[in-house]
Amino acid sequence: DADVTQTPRNRITKTGKRIMLECSQTKGHDRMYWYRQDPGLGLRLIYYSFDVKDINKGEISDGYSVSRQAQAKFSLSLESAIPNQTALYFCATSDSRQGWTGELFFGEGSRLTVL
Amino acid sequence: DAKTTQPNSMESNEEEPVHLPCNHSTISGTDYIHWYRQLPSQGPEYVIHGLTSNVNNRMASLAIAEDRKSSTLILHRATLRDAAVYYCILEGGTSYGKLTFGQGTILTVHP
Repeated sequence: DADVTQTPRNRITKTGKRIMLECSQTKGHDRMYWYRQDPGLGLRLIYYSFDVKDINKGEISDGYSVSRQAQAKFSLSLESAIPNQTALYFCATSDSRQGWTGELFFGEGSRLTVL
Repeated sequence: DAKTTQPNSMESNEEEPVHLPCNHSTISGTDYIHWYRQLPSQGPEYVIHGLTSNVNNRMASLAIAEDRKSSTLILHRATLRDAAVYYCILEGGTSYGKLTFGQGTILTVHP
């Protein structure tokens, strides 16, 4: 089983619908991240959380919200999806408890299509 | 935040060394240099990171210029599995704990 699991892996939805992408990890890491990737582009940071009570906006947080329900779970919500939110979304984790190494562990991605 | 500049694409032959360059002329003294790669249809994976000294691990070597304004990721013997997008990322200061991925270098490995 994957250490960082994203659900759903694929989702097609319509404009205006609320969508939640979920991420869970079994690595025991304290930090979690949400990125989006558009075709031909690198990854852009949406939100990140260094701890259950520490949530921060990334480069492109408008139109998104997150919830860190537990150390192992970090959900990304699109309250009212729009077509330009069609992208591949990645969740990642990292462990800073014994010093930050810069190593992120990524999930397999969630492909979202908004019609 | 400091920026990195990488070539859009590079090509190599299998079993030959590959040197992937990265320029970061505005790097600050506390910025770490990270390299990640993204294989087709997968999430990025960590390759290596360093601060000032050259670094080696089982995947690659990282050579950092003395003035730290550039670095080179070295794959000693490219394999077909090394075909990926390689990202050079600076992290530190106000970007501490956050990794910002640019467009990276698309590496093609020929048999």
